[in-house]
Amino acid sequence: KAGVTQTPRYLIKTRGQQVTLSCSPISGHRSVSWYQQTPGQGLQFLFEYFSETQRNKGNFPGRFSGRQFSNSRSEMNVSTLELGDSALYLCASSREGGSYEQYFGPGTRLTVT
Amino acid sequence: GQNIDQPTEMTATEGAIVQINCTYQTSGFNGLFWYQQHAGEAPTFLSYNVLDGLEEKGRFSSFLSRSKGYSYLLLKELQMKDSASYLCAVRDRDQAGTALIFGKGTTLSVSS
Repeated sequence: KAGVTQTPRYLIKTRGQQVTLSCSPISGHRSVSWYQQTPGQGLQFLFEYFSETQRNKGNFPGRFSGRQFSNSRSEMNVSTLELGDSALYLCASSREGGSYEQYFGPGTRLTVT
Repeated sequence: GQNIDQPTEMTATEGAIVQINCTYQTSGFNGLFWYQQHAGEAPTFLSYNVLDGLEEKGRFSSFLSRSKGYSYLLLKELQMKDSASYLCAVRDRDQAGTALIFGKGTTLSVSS
């Protein structure tokens, strides 16, 4: 069974630009969560999607948004990039239910210059 | 609110036993997870506790006390490859979905 895939793996953008990251979950997983990981703050929850609906949202500004498609693939978008948005963005998929673990993709390393 | 605390760094030697502690505060509790993350890689699942007690899985064990808001991950017979960051994460019952709230991680360095 293929794991979670994320594209692109690396990205360099300049301040003020916008970026779209993509995530394909494990087949059969309908829940997709996005996290931002930085050395100072660790893994921080951005949002979760299930059946094309945002079900949960972390404490990030409105510049961070996402969506999920009918095939469970998800995208996240960051507009008006700031230097502080430089981070590893991780996507995780899960089966439904509280006892199920999340499976993480390899992440997209975003550098904002 | 939610808060998860774990030590920032720990060191140990090969063959030894190490215990990584995690304390948490959540408005509701629906399970605690431990993940391992090697440098430059994605986190990988180690263990899940939702009831009090010890869960053992090979060299790794995880303990939970819900009344104390406390968990630990026990690593036995340490190997060099166990050098990694260990992340404690909680699922909040009061929030819909499967999202996890993570601690900042404990970086474990194993030396020979």
